[in-house]
Amino acid sequence: QKEVEQNSGPLSVPEGAIASLNCTYSDRVSQSFFWYRQYSGKSPELIMSIYSNGDKEDGRFTAQLNKASQYVSLLIRDSQPSDSATYLCAVYNAGNMLTFGGGTRLMVKP
Amino acid sequence: NAGVTQTPKFQVLKTGQSMTLQCAQDMNHNSMYWYRQDPGMGLRLIYYSASEGTTDKGEVPNGYNVSRLNKREFSLRLESAAPSQTSVYFCASTSWQGNQPQHFGDGTRLSIL
Repeated sequence: QKEVEQNSGPLSVPEGAIASLNCTYSDRVSQSFFWYRQYSGKSPELIMSIYSNGDKEDGRFTAQLNKASQYVSLLIRDSQPSDSATYLCAVYNAGNMLTFGGGTRLMVKP
Repeated sequence: NAGVTQTPKFQVLKTGQSMTLQCAQDMNHNSMYWYRQDPGMGLRLIYYSASEGTTDKGEVPNGYNVSRLNKREFSLRLESAAPSQTSVYFCASTSWQGNQPQHFGDGTRLSIL
């Protein structure tokens, strides 16, 4: 079992819809969670950090964390074609190493 | 504020050649990392430096060496390049390992013929 799992997609949503991206992790002691966006041919860009159970909102982005279920998600409201990218979930494990999921490719269709 | 700067951005090598990838950060971060990213493989950690003066192996260290030259700079060396090392290489840094997010450079696209 991979330490951080994501559905590779592609996840296709129409413009204006809510995109829901999910991530599960295996290390119960993980405390720090991040979402990165990576456009094709570019480097990963941090878009959200979350450390506590519940929701954290930043503009059109909401990160949700449920430590009991070992689940973290990213919601993108009013999705735009410019949101089309690969989204990487990253989690610090017990060894203080940041482990990345394989990424979910999101396609927002006009 | 440049963040994390990697040089070169592109490089083509012949099998057996050596080269060093350079990385520098201006954020006063303590920890620095080298990753490679291949299609379908995600980001894989090659080496890291938790703090100045220390380096450790990551998931895929074979064929690579690193040097933490000072707090700002962390270089990755390929001693004898092989086609399997064709990849995109990213350098990243963070203030404190285990809690803070990592910030990435723009990457080096390396092809080994």
